[in-house]
Amino acid sequence: GESVGLHLPTLSVQEGDNSIINCAYSNSASDYFIWYKQESGKGPQFIIDIRSNMDKRQGQRVTVLLNKTVKHLSLQIAATQPGDSAVYFCAENPSSNTGKLIFGQGTTLQVKP
Amino acid sequence: DTAVSQTPKYLVTQMGNDKSIKCEQNLGHDTMYWYKQDSKKFLKIMFSYNNKELIINETVPNRFSPKSPDKAHLNLHINSLELGDSAVYFCASSPNDRGLDYEQYFGPGTRLTVT
Repeated sequence: GESVGLHLPTLSVQEGDNSIINCAYSNSASDYFIWYKQESGKGPQFIIDIRSNMDKRQGQRVTVLLNKTVKHLSLQIAATQPGDSAVYFCAENPSSNTGKLIFGQGTTLQVKP
Repeated sequence: DTAVSQTPKYLVTQMGNDKSIKCEQNLGHDTMYWYKQDSKKFLKIMFSYNNKELIINETVPNRFSPKSPDKAHLNLHINSLELGDSAVYFCASSPNDRGLDYEQYFGPGTRLTVT
């Protein structure tokens, strides 16, 4: 069946270090992937996205890497800050014919001062 | 100024009751969604509407009925509430529902507690 998973439920990093959050997806037909950040008590917030015809995309302090061979997605956050503490979700769109997103279970990022 | 708003933010009710959650977006988007997030933070799509037309209807009990009076509003009505309906419900919207590069904007969520 369709599923998107994350390798670790919780990631704890020191402020200033780089963070890497991983995600494995199962649908090889998925052509669009998104990372969302959810702070406590709020809705998910878009961070960055990537199409399946790319293997890397950079934003401000964030980079998403896509490895279609092993169906793996990662989010790298440079110089992690306390404000980055949140739950991070990867999501895939299994079909460009609909807006359906399949979300992974989330990784909690804890930033230690 | 809120892009996607939901009311109420908290809803506590007893089993068997009927309740509604309202959602409005002022982004001019064509597509709106309802998601359910369980206690383990798992987020799953329930419905989506595009220009008031139902597009996605996942395996959701028919006690849940979305209603879209216009493309800026998508309400969720739940009949005969059960304990298992307790969750946080998120509304979202996106410019369209086809193709790539559509970003879904989420509302703040409604925490539903059924006792």
